Amino acid sequence: GESVGLHLPTLSVQEGDNSIINCAYSNSASDYFIWYKQESGKGPQFIIDIRSNMDKRQGQRVTVLLNKTVKHLSLQIAATQPGDSAVYFCAERIAGGSNYKLTFGKGTLLTVNP
Amino acid sequence: DSGVTQTPKHLITATGQRVTLRCSPRSGDLSVYWYQQSLDQGLQFLIQYYNGEERAKGNILERFSAQQFPDLHSELNLSSLELGDSALYFCASSPVTAADTQYFGPGTRLTVL
Repeated sequence: GESVGLHLPTLSVQEGDNSIINCAYSNSASDYFIWYKQESGKGPQFIIDIRSNMDKRQGQRVTVLLNKTVKHLSLQIAATQPGDSAVYFCAERIAGGSNYKLTFGKGTLLTVNP
Repeated sequence: DSGVTQTPKHLITATGQRVTLRCSPRSGDLSVYWYQQSLDQGLQFLIQYYNGEERAKGNILERFSAQQFPDLHSELNLSSLELGDSALYFCASSPVTAADTQYFGPGTRLTVL
């Protein structure tokens, strides 16, 4: 079965608010995590990544937090905009060799209300 | 625009048929990955190629096969199609120097009637 899952399948926020999307993973051997954004009719778009030797990484308006103790990953979006409305996926990679297979979670639908 | 291209965008066919999906990776990327996305299964990894050679295999059916050509484009062949094969098929590529980050194409929507 899937080793990556999401706490909330849907999230609705007001424009300008901060959004937090959560993801749980079960494989302690995972060493690399990525967040993707998928808009309707498009392919997943890379947002931000983090390696297991880090706890936090920041990008433009986005922050990813990794808690290895409880195997939890979160994506924070600051000042959420209508254009942020999409499905967000977390993905993990299990360490080892040259195999870069990613395992994706089911996704969270983020809806931003104007 | 990720730089990964996929054709065709849409494909409608009948059960029992065979189709070929095509992917061109980003310029300079040697790795190509294929994924299937359906409503009930989410995004599932199928297969990875690196510089023409199969590198990793996921949940790919025996009716499906893929290859990567010398010019690095890849094709995913789906045969003896079933209704349940209807899905979005994505190709992704990754750069040599940052092999973890995968950039996805726009996908091919396959409908099997």
